[in-house]
Amino acid sequence: DSGVTQTPKHLITATGQRVTLRCSPRSGDLSVYWYQQSLDQGLQFLIQYYNGEERAKGNILERFSAQQFPDLHSELNLSSLELGDSALYFCASSMEAIPTDTQYFGPGTRLTVL
Amino acid sequence: GQNIDQPTEMTATEGAIVQINCTYQTSGFNGLFWYQQHAGEAPTFLSYNVLDGLEEKGRFSSFLSRSKGYSYLLLKELQMKDSASYLCALNRDDKIIFGKGTRLHILP
Repeated sequence: DSGVTQTPKHLITATGQRVTLRCSPRSGDLSVYWYQQSLDQGLQFLIQYYNGEERAKGNILERFSAQQFPDLHSELNLSSLELGDSALYFCASSMEAIPTDTQYFGPGTRLTVL
Repeated sequence: GQNIDQPTEMTATEGAIVQINCTYQTSGFNGLFWYQQHAGEAPTFLSYNVLDGLEEKGRFSSFLSRSKGYSYLLLKELQMKDSASYLCALNRDDKIIFGKGTRLHILP
């Protein structure tokens, strides 16, 4: 158990819909990272927050947005969903802002868009 | 660009040694990660190399050569539980870019 929690574990929805994925980092960790993992694209970095502020942005679509709240939990919002958004979404947390130390991954949310 | 190439699959025998290579083309990066990922599970951190050379951690070692655009993960005394995917990833401007991973099969 990494100490990072993600909810829900599974999510099934339809094209065009909007969903929110939630992540609670390990106690004491200030950084939260979001990743998408699909069979054809592999693991892709989406976005990082550090202590409530956006710090780095990867291949995140404009239809996707995220935020980190004062209690340090984070939410990833996916809107106007398409079939290709079906994937495993991981969040990870670490203590530092710079991604040089160990990142602890949550168990993931499996999103299926029908 | 920063293409990261790893073999798609490898097979090795329990008790043996295996080397998983990772080559990349990039103009600069901060460091290189290796992660292990069992099927259906989250990745777990194995190593982070910043400087050239070999870093050893128990049965696992990771090597980096910036001049050659090359890294490898060395797994010794293979165990059945080492059957997993191994992901190489670059830290470039604090964005982490992953390779597609190498699926390692261990035979008894």
